[in-house]
Amino acid sequence: SQKIEQNSEALNIQEGKTATLTCNYTNYSPAYLQWYRQDPGRGPVFLLLIRENEKEKRKERLKVTFDTTLKQSLFHITASQPADSATYLCAPSRDNAGNMLTFGGGTRLMVKP
Amino acid sequence: GAGVSQSPSNKVTEKGKDVELRCDPISGHTALYWYRQRLGQGLEFLIYFQGNSAPDKSGLPSDRFSAERTGESVSTLTIQRTQQEDSAVYLCASSLQAGSYTGELFFGEGSRLTVL
Repeated sequence: SQKIEQNSEALNIQEGKTATLTCNYTNYSPAYLQWYRQDPGRGPVFLLLIRENEKEKRKERLKVTFDTTLKQSLFHITASQPADSATYLCAPSRDNAGNMLTFGGGTRLMVKP
Repeated sequence: GAGVSQSPSNKVTEKGKDVELRCDPISGHTALYWYRQRLGQGLEFLIYFQGNSAPDKSGLPSDRFSAERTGESVSTLTIQRTQQEDSAVYLCASSLQAGSYTGELFFGEGSRLTVL
């Protein structure tokens, strides 16, 4: 069965450092993958989308990579700030036709000043 | 409206009662999703509507759960004979859908359900 794995342990880093979050998936080949940010008590907010034929995507301080051989996506936040503290959710499309999204359990990031 | 609107924002009910949760998607969004999020957990897919196609109900956990959508507008999620394990935040999201490509999802703030 399809499985999406994100590190359930919180990631604690110092302000100014680069945060790297991992998303691994097994038993299928998504056509694309999205990343979302969720703050406590709020709905998730879209950050970035990367397609299977793209190796890397950037947006301001954010960078996402997509390795279809390793079945892994990495999400980087450079020059992290305390305001980046949140839970980050990985969402691969459910199948290689690009239909639907399934979500990983999310990784909580804490950036300390 | 400007964003996805969900109501009620909070609902406390007694075990065995029925509840209805409402979602108003962004105008023009053909795709609508319901997810469930238990405390400290990830998003669990429940049901997906896309235009006039038959909904994908593969995530509904039991026959006590059902959802309707009128055209490309409002959706209601109904939980009958609620159980304590139904306590969670129910999130609705909408998106544009072009062919097989799913655009970004716009989420509402959720409906927090507590079953006593």
